[in-house]
Amino acid sequence: GAVVSQHPSWVICKSGTSVKIECRSLDFQATTMFWYRQFPKQSLMLMATSNEGSKATYEQGVEKDKFLINHASLTLSTLTVTSAHPEDSSFYICSALPSGTTNQPQHFGDGTRLSIL
Amino acid sequence: GENVEQHPSTLSVQEGDSAVIKCTYSDSASNYFPWYKQELGKRPQLIIDIRSNVGEKKDQRIAVTLNKTAKHFSLHITETQPEDSAVYFCAASDYKLSFGAGTTVTVRA
Repeated sequence: GAVVSQHPSWVICKSGTSVKIECRSLDFQATTMFWYRQFPKQSLMLMATSNEGSKATYEQGVEKDKFLINHASLTLSTLTVTSAHPEDSSFYICSALPSGTTNQPQHFGDGTRLSIL
Repeated sequence: GENVEQHPSTLSVQEGDSAVIKCTYSDSASNYFPWYKQELGKRPQLIIDIRSNVGEKKDQRIAVTLNKTAKHFSLHITETQPEDSAVYFCAASDYKLSFGAGTTVTVRA
């Protein structure tokens, strides 16, 4: 149980392209999902907290107009990297917190490797 | 916000020996402390966690201790095996997870 599917797993695109990443909870409902970014040999850094039916909460330093988050249902959150540039190349990972859970654990997706040429 | 420090950054141990990784946190509101193992290019895998109302937890070769007063928590791996080689992250949470910088563990055969 508690499976989170993230798609795509790998994407390579040209600079200036917008890229959408999907995060789905397959066997549970998730009111809250989280988006992380991980640069090579670094830790996971929380980008934003996504709540179903409301606006995402972004961490300090994360541009909300560049990283668009939509959480329109209890099983799907999307992250769109708009006008991506090489410095946006990273490993993006989502996690989901089962509805009704006041605390952890979060369930992680497999991540998306984004490479911008 | 929460600040989690993790030491050491790298750890090399002989197979069969123990490995210990230590973390400190800053926010007394944090009440959940998970440990993750991450292999290259893969998602972090929860290996053990502890909540603030518990001082110690053990699962086979893995144990975690928590000292709330000192805001310290540690991961102990006994009888290490080559497959324990990976990057380990500690984290602290009162809702959002704040991760430590990670420890690269290498188990020498």
